[in-house]
Amino acid sequence: AQKITQTQPGMFVQEKEAVTLDCTYDTSDPSYGLFWYKQPSSGEMIFLIYQGSYDQQNATEGRYSLNFQKARKSANLVISASQLGDSAMYFCAFARSGGSYIPTFGRGTSLIVHP
Amino acid sequence: DTAVSQTPKYLVTQMGNDKSIKCEQNLGHDTMYWYKQDSKKFLKIMFSYNNKELIINETVPNRFSPKSPDKAHLNLHINSLELGDSAVYFCASSQDSDVGSYTFGSGTRLTVV
Repeated sequence: AQKITQTQPGMFVQEKEAVTLDCTYDTSDPSYGLFWYKQPSSGEMIFLIYQGSYDQQNATEGRYSLNFQKARKSANLVISASQLGDSAMYFCAFARSGGSYIPTFGRGTSLIVHP
Repeated sequence: DTAVSQTPKYLVTQMGNDKSIKCEQNLGHDTMYWYKQDSKKFLKIMFSYNNKELIINETVPNRFSPKSPDKAHLNLHINSLELGDSAVYFCASSQDSDVGSYTFGSGTRLTVV
């Protein structure tokens, strides 16, 4: 069974600075995907970024980048130039590729951006 | 158009009642899911369903049952509601051949009083 771990229950960052949110996973599957979602206080789950296990380059989406280290089984989210609106819960998720799969979510990291 | 839509967004009901939450996706996805997010924000998979199989998390009480009238809909029925059922319930969908297609609905906040 896959296991996904977010070791930081809470993080604080100064506005305009970069922050890294940690995520590690455990799997023996060769083909899989890793996701990051943002959940603001309003409650919706907002897709941020996706990394496939065979992707050669780290995924980037605007201010979000995924630091994918396959050998270490880590998929950390880097947010550059933090904004006050980045304050939210952030969830890392893992899913196997192919067929019916059930994404597994980490327990989340609460990020607070200070002015 | 909303890709994965849930109704209602808020639901307040009394203990012992039976209620349903509806979910519809217009993405043509193969598989739909229900998640429960508890007060500690933990997202727990409840069901995964496509036209071939239903996968049930064995920790989900049998008072919860998914009903799929067609490929685009997966409704969640809850019988004999209990206080502990209060949570946010998320529907999601995905295309089997595309692990990056996973899409969430906006959630339904259920409060049992």
